[in-house]
Amino acid sequence: GDSVTQMEGPVTLSEEAFLTINCTYTATGYPSLFWYVQYPGEGLQLLLKATKADDKGSNKGFEATYRKETTSFHLEKGSVQVSDSAVYFCALSERGNTPLVFGKGTRLSVIA
Amino acid sequence: KAGVTQTPRYLIKTRGQQVTLSCSPISGHRSVSWYQQTPGQGLQFLFEYFSETQRNKGNFPGRFSGRQFSNSRSEMNVSTLELGDSALYLCASSLSRGQTEAFFGQGTRLTVV
Repeated sequence: GDSVTQMEGPVTLSEEAFLTINCTYTATGYPSLFWYVQYPGEGLQLLLKATKADDKGSNKGFEATYRKETTSFHLEKGSVQVSDSAVYFCALSERGNTPLVFGKGTRLSVIA
Repeated sequence: KAGVTQTPRYLIKTRGQQVTLSCSPISGHRSVSWYQQTPGQGLQFLFEYFSETQRNKGNFPGRFSGRQFSNSRSEMNVSTLELGDSALYLCASSLSRGQTEAFFGQGTRLTVV
């Protein structure tokens, strides 16, 4: 079945450091890809998405590019802030009416 | 407009009891999905409802059930609670089926003692 693999956390960075969180996927079809963020005590918020190969999703300084050849959707940010501390989930959804499949999540802590 | 509302936010139940959780989707959204989040298993899909009908179901025992009302509000029920059912239960709403964007509520934290 479909699956998403994320790099293990936690990830601890200093403020203004560069962030990369790796995400690879396995899918039978041609999925849409997502990054969700979960702040402490909250539900999930959609951070960005990409629906076809070579699409770049971006939001709040975060970016991820849909790479079909490497089945990857790595999340990047050039300069992280303390407020970016959260758990980040990579997810996919196959075409049609299928549920989201999530990775295990990566906890990011940014220290001042 | 208002987001996805889940009630209650926190719940403590005893083993063997049953529990009902509620989810009110974003106004105009007709698809509601439920997910269970635990530290060990991560986020797992429970079921999806659209037009008052269950459209998809995850790999959970029959103790987990749900329903959707004509106003798109949804409830999920867990009977004969077990300690392992302790989790954050998240509801997500979408405009329709097959939509690529799902909006999540804050979740209901269920603790079974």
